[in-house]
Amino acid sequence: EVQLVESGGGLVKPGGSLRLSCAASGFTFSSYSMNWVRQAPGKGLEWVSSISSSSSYIHYADSVKGRFTISRDNAKNSLYLQMNSLRVEDTAVYYCAREVQYYDILIGTYYYYMDVWGKGTTVTVSS
Amino acid sequence: SSELTQDPAVSVALGQTVRITCQGDSLRSYYASWYQQKPGQAPILVIYGKNNRPSGIPDRFSGSSSGNTASLTITGAQAEDEADYYCNSRDSSGSHLGVFGGGTKLTVL
Repeated sequence: EVQLVESGGGLVKPGGSLRLSCAASGFTFSSYSMNWVRQAPGKGLEWVSSISSSSSYIHYADSVKGRFTISRDNAKNSLYLQMNSLRVEDTAVYYCAREVQYYDILIGTYYYYMDVWGKGTTVTVSS
Repeated sequence: SSELTQDPAVSVALGQTVRITCQGDSLRSYYASWYQQKPGQAPILVIYGKNNRPSGIPDRFSGSSSGNTASLTITGAQAEDEADYYCNSRDSSGSHLGVFGGGTKLTVL
């Protein structure tokens, strides 16, 4: 069964740090780009960060750039999100998601989607 | 603010057809993907690409696109379809950042 399981969430004070993990199973982890997506309480989904299969390409949302670091260990089938200088507004459920992207040359359009999601881990930043 | 624009709320009578739309410049280059999220649950992919459904998604869900607008259509809405729906694509700057629409809350009456 294809599965993603997040862990590492918790309560942290503003300015603190936390490291999230996402354990993948049931598929060839090293073949896929991976993403972190978060959802603040009562709010919509917010894309946070992505990393390519070999870690060559990494991208961050402006809201977390310079504070969060995404990484992966393909030997351990694991994705990570190191979160530093945490703010109250980082409070959210954090999901990891598997990404698929390819280009349809006949139509000239990209396919881009996240087809597998974990159940999420909750991060609360509060004094 | 989101680069993908969705109506905040839509309602549909049980068994009727409803369309949820998503607008954004990046949709001229990328197909939107659509996610269903019920309270307390993780999002699930319901439509991707031109009009593709993952295994297990009922065929009453379909997708389409034209220009900068993508649509998710539910034909014969069921009570269990009541949920939040999000569209997703890349941003329009070419920087390969991801972006979600603000979400549409679907109520089935």
